[in-house]
Amino acid sequence: DAEITQSPRHKITETGRQVTLACHQTWNHNNMFWYRQDLGHGLRLIHYSYGVQDTNKGEVSDGYSVSRSNTEDLPLTLESAASSQTSVYFCASSPGGSSYEQYFGPGTRLTVT
Amino acid sequence: AQSVTQLGSHVSVSEGALVLLRCNYSSSVPPYLFWYVQYPNQGLQLLLKYTSAATLVKGINGFEAEFKKSETSFHLTKPSAHMSDAAEYFCAVSADNQGGKLIFGQGTELSVKP
Repeated sequence: DAEITQSPRHKITETGRQVTLACHQTWNHNNMFWYRQDLGHGLRLIHYSYGVQDTNKGEVSDGYSVSRSNTEDLPLTLESAASSQTSVYFCASSPGGSSYEQYFGPGTRLTVT
Repeated sequence: AQSVTQLGSHVSVSEGALVLLRCNYSSSVPPYLFWYVQYPNQGLQLLLKYTSAATLVKGINGFEAEFKKSETSFHLTKPSAHMSDAAEYFCAVSADNQGGKLIFGQGTELSVKP
């Protein structure tokens, strides 16, 4: 069955370190999204992509970057981790076109100490 | 700009009682509306969606929602709550001019008492 996976599921890192969170989908979806979920804020969009070599900033993109070298993967990189980036991160994908529903991965819980 | 407001960050019902989770949206163009459910330590799962066809939308697990343009609402209901319905629920909105992005509400945590 097609799916979307994230790794690692849990990560503890230190302030200042570079961290990369992986997202892989097997639906062949064009659109991919990264969100962070924090208590009281719901889900906030970090970055998104409409296809290979396309990336766009969301509402909370500072300190994060993404790259899209193939259809299946959209890794999220924290260039220099900060305690404010402690959060749960979700990746999602959607077919694009006139189909707007998104399908979510299981999430990565990141703690920055 | 679009926005979503979920009234009540926490709702508690008794098992067997009606579930009503409120969602109001703001959109300058015809919206597409979604309800997602999130169980503890899991990702979001699509419950149902409104895409301008029928205004009463049926979803999984016995949930349904009604799109009311005059009230700019898309409330989620279930006639009889089950213990397994305890989760967080998110309402989200999109539109043709949003490039496939979703705007999420803050979420409503549903508790079900035995």
